[in-house]
Amino acid sequence: DAGVIQSPRHEVTEMGQEVTLRCKPISGHDYLFWYRQTMMRGLELLIYFNNNVPIDDSGMPEDRFSAKMPNASFSTLKIQPSEPRDSAVYFCASSPGGAGTDTQYFGPGTRLTVL
Amino acid sequence: GESVGLHLPTLSVQEGDNSIINCAYSNSASDYFIWYKQESGKGPQFIIDIRSNMDKRQGQRVTVLLNKTVKHLSLQIAATQPGDSAVYFCAETHNDYKLSFGAGTTVTVRA
Repeated sequence: DAGVIQSPRHEVTEMGQEVTLRCKPISGHDYLFWYRQTMMRGLELLIYFNNNVPIDDSGMPEDRFSAKMPNASFSTLKIQPSEPRDSAVYFCASSPGGAGTDTQYFGPGTRLTVL
Repeated sequence: GESVGLHLPTLSVQEGDNSIINCAYSNSASDYFIWYKQESGKGPQFIIDIRSNMDKRQGQRVTVLLNKTVKHLSLQIAATQPGDSAVYFCAETHNDYKLSFGAGTTVTVRA
């Protein structure tokens, strides 16, 4: 299996621009998670989906952030408009789900820099 | 919310020695714990996990110990190798899939 795939790996944009991060989870995994990692706040869960349905978005910072999962093999995290404080590494993770299979497997991340 | 924290932010260990990384958690209801390893420029990589009905679990060169009485988790790495240099995170959850991560411990292996 190729693991969780994220694109782009690096993104540099200017303040006010729209940014879209993409994720392909491991095939057969029912859960998908979006995290943000910064030096100051560590790893933070933003939102997670079960069977393409958003379950908990309480970690989404504000309305500028939105996430979708149109099908089992694709999810996007969008920031519009972007701000310098959004600069971070964004990780997508997936999990098989079900009893005894909670382990989350992370992608390589997208390093976002907002100038 | 509840927090998961690490006792030591950095650990320097001689190659070949054993490493012990500690983690304290505050949610007594937590029932699932995971250790992740993160190398520079990569995503966290699953190492080992343990459920609250166990107090010890062993993997290849790694052992996780869980002490629910004092809410403490540790990761032991046997015969530490240069490839073990990374940031190690503990994470915990209770009855759902929302993992709470600790701050991380940076492990540096000296040749």
